[in-house]
Parts: sequence; C-alpha cells; structure tokens
Amino acid sequence: QKEVEQNSGPLSVPEGAIASLNCTYSDRGSQSFFWYRQYSGKSPELIMFIYSNGDKEDGRFTAQLNKASQYVSLLIRDSQPSDSATYLCAVITVSGYALNFGKGTSLLVTP
Amino acid sequence: EPEVTQTPSHQVTQMGQEVILRCVPISNHLYFYWYRQILGQKVEFLVSFYNNEISEKSEIFDDQFSVERPDGSNFTLKIRSTKLEDSAMYFCASTAQGQGATDTQYFGPGTRLTVL
Repeated sequence: QKEVEQNSGPLSVPEGAIASLNCTYSDRGSQSFFWYRQYSGKSPELIMFIYSNGDKEDGRFTAQLNKASQYVSLLIRDSQPSDSATYLCAVITVSGYALNFGKGTSLLVTP
Repeated sequence: EPEVTQTPSHQVTQMGQEVILRCVPISNHLYFYWYRQILGQKVEFLVSFYNNEISEKSEIFDDQFSVERPDGSNFTLKIRSTKLEDSAMYFCASTAQGQGATDTQYFGPGTRLTVL
C-alpha cells in the first residue's frame, strides 16, 4: 500500500505567523500532489496542486515539492483564525484516477 | 459556481439493509468518484467511473458495493447489505478530464451514513 504521511498535529501558530505543513509519500512514481483543506464535518476543499519540483505560490499559500526527497509542503503566510482546519495532502495514484490521502494535519491559528 | 451535490445529507439505516447514496456531479464533468471517511480517519478512495464503466476501484469496494449512472445527471453508490463498519461520511467527486496530473477533483458536501 502506497503511503502518504502527515504529522497529525495539532500545529498551533499565532495569527499573522507562517504555518508550515509537511507531507511525505512512498510511491516514487507519483507525479501530482494536492493540498486540500477540510473543516470539521465538511468535505475536502482544494487549496492548490503542484507537479513540478520547486515552489508554487497562490496568494497566501505556497506549495513546495521535492521529488528526490519525496516531500511536499504547504506554507500559509499571514495565518488567520479562519485557516484553522485540517490540511490534507493527497497524491494521485499511478493509474491517474484515485487520490491517495494522508490523515491530515490539524492547524490551529490563535488570535 | 457549479458544484457537486449529494443527497441525502444524513442517512440512518439498519444493519443488513440496502442504501443508495445519490450524487449530481458538475454538469460538464466526465469522471466521477466515491470516497469515504470513517470518523477520525483519513479520506479513502472507493471507486472511479468513466463512460459508464468502473475505471478503478479499491480493495474496500467489494461485491457489496455498486455504482451506476442511471441518467444523464445522477451518479449513485449502492451498498447492498450494510454493516456497522460502513458507517462513514461518503463523498462524491467529479473532474472534467480524469487523468489527474492537473485536473481537480471537486467534492460534494457528503452523505453521513449511520448503520445501526
């Protein structure tokens, strides 16, 4: 079973700080990586995807990918209390259809 | 903004009963998915569906499960004889293209299934 690993947290950061969320994956053939946000009792909501090594920025969010280290991260700048949620890392399976999710990291942004 | 819808939002059933969960994917999307999330656990892939056929399924998707696109808009998941361990949130998702390098899977709000 190909694994996607995340620290479950909770990760607590003060409002305005940078939150750093990390994810590792076991399938070296993985090509596409997604970050979703999930509020309690709600469905996953896409934040961004990345498939090339390096950084990709979208507003306050930056995804970083290092395929050699099999490592994906998400940085959230100027964290807000509304960012408090569980952040899910997901990897497209080799077949190209299914998303393989990590267990998620719980983020708490304190005012 | 187009969205995936699911009905019902909450379904309660007795063990051994059949349930059908319904989804209306985004209208121009071609690939459809079911995922489940047991309380406190990770989101797990069940099945993907394209052109009226299953394109991929997980080990969870055994003979008790089936999917169907009965008309041009609905996509259903049937559980033939529910077990206690089927209690979970079931999410439907859809994508325009499917081969997912950059294609986004949009999730519906989910159906919470409770098996008593």
